[in-house]
Amino acid sequence: QSVLTQPPSVSGAPGQRVTISCTGSSSNIGAGYDVHWYQQLPGTAPKLLIYGNNNRPSGVPDRFSGSKSGTSASLAITGLQVEDEADYFCQSFDSRVWVFGGGTKLTVL
Amino acid sequence: EVQLVESGGGLVQPGGSLRLSCAASGFTFSSYSINWVRQAPGKGLEWISHITSHSDTIYYADSVKGRFTISRDNAKSSLSLQMHSLRDEDTAVYYCAREYYTRMDLWGQGTTVTVSS
Repeated sequence: QSVLTQPPSVSGAPGQRVTISCTGSSSNIGAGYDVHWYQQLPGTAPKLLIYGNNNRPSGVPDRFSGSKSGTSASLAITGLQVEDEADYFCQSFDSRVWVFGGGTKLTVL
Repeated sequence: EVQLVESGGGLVQPGGSLRLSCAASGFTFSSYSINWVRQAPGKGLEWISHITSHSDTIYYADSVKGRFTISRDNAKSSLSLQMHSLRDEDTAVYYCAREYYTRMDLWGQGTTVTVSS
């Protein structure tokens, strides 16, 4: 049972927009800690995708965006591409513990 | 090249020990906190340990507290995770990850630990 809750899976057709939610509580996201998102392509290590709720590291396309409100956060992907098919994880901080969501598998139909 | 490279994984019997290493290059290792994160087969990411840049502060997840020890050698740009009393549920890919303001901005490729008799 992960501290942060994500839907197990989402799907969309190429070109569409999808969102992935990440729900926490008053001790992590709601306490004001930043939310970060990671993309894990099949068979590879996670890669930082969004940091500080809504910032993209250099090289990440602007099709990826993040937002945070209250005890939740969201990752949005617009203009879906086949290569976006991956697992996505949210992460935050909670009382000396770094916490992850359970992960969401994105399928591009 | 800026990178982290883990090593030391392998097959170990329940109750056994293993020492993982993480070699850093391409950046000033001593300026960053580092974390160990693991991923059991087919599962999500689990944070297990954190060490600050000069080893001042160390944290462990409850699942490994008392069994695992994190340490670092800034002169050698290396990080270690000593694991004792290994259990079946410790089977996972273990990643070291550089941290910057709670985000993990650089990950190694991972090393696989299998605990099985």
